[in-house]
Amino acid sequence: KQEVTQIPAALSVPEGENLVLNCSFTDSAIYNLQWFRQDPGKGLTSLLLIQSSQREQTSGRLNASLDKSSGRSTLYIAASQPGDSATYLCAASSSGNTPLVFGKGTRLSVIA
Amino acid sequence: GAVVSQHPSWVICKSGTSVKIECRSLDFQATTMFWYRQFPKQSLMLMATSNEGSKATYEQGVEKDKFLINHASLTLSTLTVTSAHPEDSSFYICSGRTDGTYGYTFGSGTRLTVV
Repeated sequence: KQEVTQIPAALSVPEGENLVLNCSFTDSAIYNLQWFRQDPGKGLTSLLLIQSSQREQTSGRLNASLDKSSGRSTLYIAASQPGDSATYLCAASSSGNTPLVFGKGTRLSVIA
Repeated sequence: GAVVSQHPSWVICKSGTSVKIECRSLDFQATTMFWYRQFPKQSLMLMATSNEGSKATYEQGVEKDKFLINHASLTLSTLTVTSAHPEDSSFYICSGRTDGTYGYTFGSGTRLTVV
């Protein structure tokens, strides 16, 4: 059964800093991996989706990588801004018919 | 892109009453709908999986008679919390997908408060 772990649980950085959020998963037979953002009391915003055949995806200041052999994914945020403050969730599925399994998230605070 | 419309966004109900949450896929056919709940400061936990026209499959520890899921069409799935109690207060969110695609589309969630 797929399990997803995120480290660190919380992170506070000054504005402008580049940062990396880590995600690990137990089942290397991954179908896809998705990063989400969740603001307090709100729903999910999909940031990046990496298919099993891909190694990375980029969107603006965000870059996500996938290493199936080591069971890891990273989300890189460049030039962080206070508006990036939110909880970032990593989720993985093991096949096309199975649900996404979520990590507990990393709560990011970017200080102006 | 694919959109799942979830309603209501929030609801307050009295203990013992039932609440229905709707998720509609607006521009795609959701062959599968997943239902999650999220307690404060915790991550999303899968409650059940429903395929159009079939009975839902519930995760261990989720009472199927309490959380009724209906997925009668490819564009509508509902979750009814029956005889709600304060411990059912949570954030409920649905996620739809179409066979053959990689993406999962999430609704905006429903915050349920039972008083």
